[in-house]
Amino acid sequence: NAGVTQTPKFQVLKTGQSMTLQCAQDMNHEYMSWYRQDPGMGLRLIHYSVGAGITDQGEVPNGYNVSRSTTEDFPLRLLSAAPSQTSVYFCASSPGTGPPGYTFGSGTRLTVV
Amino acid sequence: AQTVTQSQPEMSVQEAETVTLSCTYDTSESDYYLFWYKQPPSRQMILVIRQEAYKQQNATENRFSVNFQKAAKSFSLKISDSQLGDAAMYFCAYNAMDSNYQLIWGAGTKLIIKP
Repeated sequence: NAGVTQTPKFQVLKTGQSMTLQCAQDMNHEYMSWYRQDPGMGLRLIHYSVGAGITDQGEVPNGYNVSRSTTEDFPLRLLSAAPSQTSVYFCASSPGTGPPGYTFGSGTRLTVV
Repeated sequence: AQTVTQSQPEMSVQEAETVTLSCTYDTSESDYYLFWYKQPPSRQMILVIRQEAYKQQNATENRFSVNFQKAAKSFSLKISDSQLGDAAMYFCAYNAMDSNYQLIWGAGTKLIIKP
């Protein structure tokens, strides 16, 4: 069982470049989320999805786009990278019903120079 | 809005001893979930323990147990017989009922195990 697969694990971007962080889950979870982790802070929600075709903004959505065309995939797009987006990014999935049971990807360390 | 506070940026404990990590939270809800996650240097988020607010009994998982004080909005994690492999960042997190897409996180506590 792969769980939640995130790629890439590391990435360096130049300011203004765009890129997509990939996230895929094989547990048929309805809910998927993207978080960013910055030093000295807890994880903060960027965007989330409660099902295919449904996405919404979290606490820190600016500069990021998402889409959910299938249950399995939830990519995060950085439109024009800025140094403030240097962070570690986590994708998570959870069943839509019952007690929350989150499965996290292994994270992507992104550096914007 | 819900908030989670971990007031100990760093804790250290001697191997085989017991350590308690603190967490307080703020919510106006009566039903919710609370979590402790462990993040070792590998960066992977590992679930340590989950507590349902409607359950009076404190959750336990082997050497890990919680002291859940609902009225005080406190949720501490006790690690007994500390082992070198317990060294990690520990995060407390809150999940509103029927909101399985968002965890509200504390800032974390770095746990150091002294051999």
